[in-house]
Order: sequence, then C-alpha cells, then structure tokens
Amino acid sequence: GNSVTQMEGPVTLSEEAFLTINCTYTATGYPSLFWYVQYPGEGLQLLLKATKADDKGSNKGFEATYRKETTSFHLEKGSVQVSDSAVYFCALSDDYKLSFGAGTTVTVRA
Amino acid sequence: DVKVTQSSRYLVKRTGEKVFLECVQDMDHENMFWYRQDPGLGLRLIYFSYDVKMKEKGDIPEGYSVSREKKERFSLILESASTNQTSMYLCASSTAGKLGGYTFGSGTRLTVV
Repeated sequence: GNSVTQMEGPVTLSEEAFLTINCTYTATGYPSLFWYVQYPGEGLQLLLKATKADDKGSNKGFEATYRKETTSFHLEKGSVQVSDSAVYFCALSDDYKLSFGAGTTVTVRA
Repeated sequence: DVKVTQSSRYLVKRTGEKVFLECVQDMDHENMFWYRQDPGLGLRLIYFSYDVKMKEKGDIPEGYSVSREKKERFSLILESASTNQTSMYLCASSTAGKLGGYTFGSGTRLTVV
C-alpha cells in the first residue's frame, strides 16, 4: 500500500535560517505529491504539489522536487520567517485518496 | 471564497452519547473525507465518499458511521462516543482524480468526557 514517511520534529530554527523537511514515499503507481501546512488553530492548507517525476512545486518561497529515483519530495525554504511556524504534512495520492505523513512541527524564533 | 465548513469548532460530549459532526462544501466537489488528527499519528482516514449515498471505509472506521444524502454535505456519526474518540476531526473535499488537492475545513475539536 501507499505510505509517506517524513522527518520527525519538532524543528526549531532562527529567522532567516534554511529549512529542509525530508519526505519519502512508497507507492505502487505514479502518485501525485503534496505538501500541506497547518497554522496554529487552523485546518490544513495546500502549500504546493507536483504531479509527475522531476516536477518542482513552489509557493510562498517553499520548493519541493518530485524525485522518482529516490522516492522523495523534500520541502525546502531558503530563509524562514516567524510566520512560517506551523505543522507541515507531506502527502501522496494515486487515485482520489490522500495518504499523509505524521507531520513535522516547525517553530521559527525571532 | 470557496470553502469547507464544519458546523462546530469545539464540542464536549459525554461517554455513550450519539454525536453528529457536520461538514458542508460549496465547491461542487465529488469527493468528501473525514479524518482524525492526533499528535504523532498525523491524519488518519475514517471514511470517504465519492458520490451521493456512496461511502467507503478508510483506515480506522470502527466506532464511526457516515451519511451523504446531498452532494454538498457529509456527516460523521459517532454511534456511542468513547473517551478514545477525543480528537481533532477534519473534513475535506476534492474533485475527482489524483491531480487536485484537498480543501480542508477548520476542524472540530471533540472532547468526550
């Protein structure tokens, strides 16, 4: 079956630091890959997505590249802000269902 | 602004009560989902529906049922609430196929005492 593994948190960073959250997946087909973000007290929001190998998704300074050879979809941001403090979820879909990773809590300190 | 609306933000219920969580979407989406979110476990799928009156079990359906009488509304029912069902419940909707993402509601924090 499908599964997603992402790095455990929590992750604490200073403002303007570089952020990487690792995500690897197992899937039988050719899934689409997603990153969702959950800000405190809110539901999940789609951050970015990639639908085929070598695609790069990007949004709000975040990027992730669909790497089929390493079955990975790592999230990166070059310079984080306090407002990026949130829980980040990696997810995949090969039909109409999403499978989520456990989530990584990121705290950015001023 | 398109949205998924969950009827309650916070809910406190007693053990043994029948609990209804309501979710409405205004995007004409075919698919609707109920997840629960627990620390360290991420999101786990309870039930989903890909059409009116259609439903399928997710990964953790025990103790839950669902109803989808209209396309825009998907209800989660806890037949007899128990303390281990204390959790954050998230509703989501999506278009058919794998290319679109989900739109989530803000969640219902349910506490069973």
